Amino acid sequence: GAVVSQHPSRVICKSGTSVKIECRSLDFQATTMFWYRQFPKQSLMLMATSNEGSKATYEQGVEKDKFLINHASLTLSTLTVTSAHPEDSSFYICSARGRDSSYNEQFFGPGTRLTVL
Amino acid sequence: GEDVEQSLFLSVREGDSSVINCTYTDSSSTYLYWYKQEPGAGLQLLTYIFSNMDMKQDQRLTVLLNKKDKHLSLRIADTQTGDSAIYFCAEGGDSWGKFQFGAGTQVVVTP
Repeated sequence: GAVVSQHPSRVICKSGTSVKIECRSLDFQATTMFWYRQFPKQSLMLMATSNEGSKATYEQGVEKDKFLINHASLTLSTLTVTSAHPEDSSFYICSARGRDSSYNEQFFGPGTRLTVL
Repeated sequence: GEDVEQSLFLSVREGDSSVINCTYTDSSSTYLYWYKQEPGAGLQLLTYIFSNMDMKQDQRLTVLLNKKDKHLSLRIADTQTGDSAIYFCAEGGDSWGKFQFGAGTQVVVTP
């Protein structure tokens, strides 16, 4: 149980376009979802936290108008990178925490590799 | 500096034990976690420990927690080539459930 999927796994786009990444909890209700960004050989950097039905809370330095997060249901959150530029190229990982999480665990998706040309 | 620190690299021979160390700063963390990341993949939870425990054993994995020194370690017994990966320690448990990750330790297992 506790599977989180992400789609797409890889995306290549032109500079200036927008890209949407989906994160789904497949077998549990995710009351909270987290979006991370990971640069090569570095740790995960938390971008934002979203609770179902609420606006996302962004970490300091993360542009909320550029990284639009929507958590419309208990099983789906989306991250839209608007007007993408080459510096937005990165590995984006989502995670989800369920309502009944017994030890505050986050379940991670497999990640999305974004390349902006 | 980072709130969670790890050594960046560990090389170990197949069959030996691996020990990965981590220090953290937030003494209010309820849980501490070890995650494994294989190339191009997301993070897989290996194990966790509640902050009022000193040790937890789970098959080949042993977690030691020294709360006084804010030191966490993960020991992998009989390390296999499939254990080659990046291992992250994380502290968490605030009201938002936010985690603070270390930079990750790359473990390379040699035959």
